[in-house]
Amino acid sequence: DIQMTQSPSSLSASVGDRVTITCRASQGITNSLAWYQQKPGRAPKFLLSAASRLERGVPSRFSGSGLGTDYTLTISSLQPEDFATYYCQQYYSEPPTFGQGTKVEIK
Amino acid sequence: EVELVESGGGLVQPGGSLRLSCEGAGFIFRNYDMNWVRQAPGKGLEWVAAINTGSNYIYYADSVRGRFTISRDNSKKTLYLQMNSLRAEDTAIYYCAKEPGYINGWEPFDVWGQGTMVTVSS
Repeated sequence: DIQMTQSPSSLSASVGDRVTITCRASQGITNSLAWYQQKPGRAPKFLLSAASRLERGVPSRFSGSGLGTDYTLTISSLQPEDFATYYCQQYYSEPPTFGQGTKVEIK
Repeated sequence: EVELVESGGGLVQPGGSLRLSCEGAGFIFRNYDMNWVRQAPGKGLEWVAAINTGSNYIYYADSVRGRFTISRDNSKKTLYLQMNSLRAEDTAIYYCAKEPGYINGWEPFDVWGQGTMVTVSS
């Protein structure tokens, strides 16, 4: 199985800050990477696929990049509604696997 | 609006069984591969099982293989998860999730249900 490791596990930030979350795969996944946002008590929400393709309706302050084994999710200017937990997921091979999550909290 | 609605969760004793359902609406259910993903209390996301449109390709996580069975009824626009020999470690919110259908092969999950809670406890 491909292991996905996110860092940091949590971070504190202020509204307006630029935030970057990193996801590392245990082997190359050729950009077969998705990002999800989850708020307490809610289902995950699909943000990006193919490492950098923003889904319809997702604000442009979210962006993704990376290749090979290393990927990042960036929020260019953190908004109050962005405080949540973020998960990466590889879909390069079976079984699909998730990172452990990064909780973005208010400083 | 594309929607997935799960049902069937509840409290069950260790060793017991439960069947979850997930009804799709707002899209052509039979055209999309479907999955179950679970989340233990306070923990991260874990993929459980996947089924393709025609039910001829089915995959399971090692943690549930031999105990859980995924199936679908396209005429009823419904996905199922039959869970047998349940263990305490199966306690979780179970989400059904749809794939976007862009490509053949594995895809991310573009639509999720609201989840149904399964608690395994005596």
